[in-house]
This record gives sequence, C-alpha cells and structure tokens, in this order.
Amino acid sequence: GDSVTQMEGPVTLSEEAFLTINCTYTATGYPSLFWYVQYPGEGLQLLLKATKADDKGSNKGFEATYRKETTSFHLEKGSVQVSDSAVYFCALILRGGGKLIFGQGTELSVKP
Amino acid sequence: DGGITQSPKYLFRKEGQNVTLSCEQNLNHDAMYWYRQDPGQGLRLIYYSQIVNDFQKGDIAEGYSVSREKKESFPLTVTSAQKNPTAFYLCASSIGYERDLPDTQYFGPGTRLTVL
Repeated sequence: GDSVTQMEGPVTLSEEAFLTINCTYTATGYPSLFWYVQYPGEGLQLLLKATKADDKGSNKGFEATYRKETTSFHLEKGSVQVSDSAVYFCALILRGGGKLIFGQGTELSVKP
Repeated sequence: DGGITQSPKYLFRKEGQNVTLSCEQNLNHDAMYWYRQDPGQGLRLIYYSQIVNDFQKGDIAEGYSVSREKKESFPLTVTSAQKNPTAFYLCASSIGYERDLPDTQYFGPGTRLTVL
C-alpha cells in the first residue's frame, strides 16, 4: 500500500547547523508531496510542497526536491534557528485521492 | 481573515458520553476532513466530505459520526462506542480534488479531547 517513512527523531541540533530530515515514500500512483510543521499544541501548517518529479518546494529557508528515481522528498535547511523547533511531517496525496498519507513525524529541537 | 476554526481547544468527557467537536471554514472549500493524532504518531483519517450532504469513512471511522449540512461546517461526534477517544483531533479543508489537482489541505488549530 501507499506509505511514507521518515527518519526517526528526536533530532537535536545547535543553532545555525545544517538540517536534513529524510523522507521516502511508496505510492501506487503519481503522488504530490508535502512537508507540514507542527509547533507544540498547535495544528499543522503547510511548509512546502512539490507536485511533480524534480520540482523543488521552498519556504522560510526550507527546501525539498521531489526525486522520483529514489522516491524521496528530503527536507533541508542551511542554518536552523531555535524557532524551528517543532515536529515535521512528510505526507503524500495521490492524484484524485482525498486522503493525505503521513509519515510518523520527526521532532526537531534546536539549542542556542 | 480566512481560515479554519475548531472549538473548543480543550474538551473533557466522561466515559459513556457522546461529544461533538466543531469545525468551521470560511475559505469556500468544498472538501473537509477529520484526522486523529496520537502521541508520537502521524495523522490518521477518520472521515472526509467532498461536498455538502455527502461524506465517506476514512481509515478509523468506527465510533465516530459526522454531518455536512453546510459547506462551511463539518462537525465530528465522538460516540461512546469509540474505545480510546483521548487524542488530538484536527480538521482540514481543501478546494476539492476534482477541481484542483493536486489538492492541498489546510489545517485548523485542533481540539484536544481527554476522557476522564
């Protein structure tokens, strides 16, 4: 079945460090891919998305590239801040399908 | 200001009681969704609705019910039949995947339900 796998957390980094959160997927069709962020006690916010192979989504310094050949959508940021501390979810949706399929989430903690 | 509102933010229920969670959106979206989040896990789909007066079961619909009488509103009732209702409940909406492919879902702030 369709699924999303994220690297396990928690991930702890120092401020200004480079961030990578790995995400791979399995899909029967041609999915669109998303990263959502969840701050403590809040709902999910859309961080970025990509709808076709080789698309790069970007927002607030975060980037992810849709790699069809490796079925991956890794999240990167060149220099993290304390305010980036949150849980990050990778997700996919198939064309014509209503359900978002989520990974289990990766908690990021950035220390000053 | 357009967005999705959920109320209440925190809800406490005694065992054996039904409780209804509110979700309202003013984004003029056709599709609405309910997800459940448990600690350390991703989100699981409970119910979704593509259009007024129509809805479908998601992966974990047992013990839940919904209605979609208005485009803006999609309330979720957690019934006494739900064995482990304590969780964080998130509502989402999207333009509608028949009109906008691919479709992007936007989330509300969530309701935390605790069964005492």
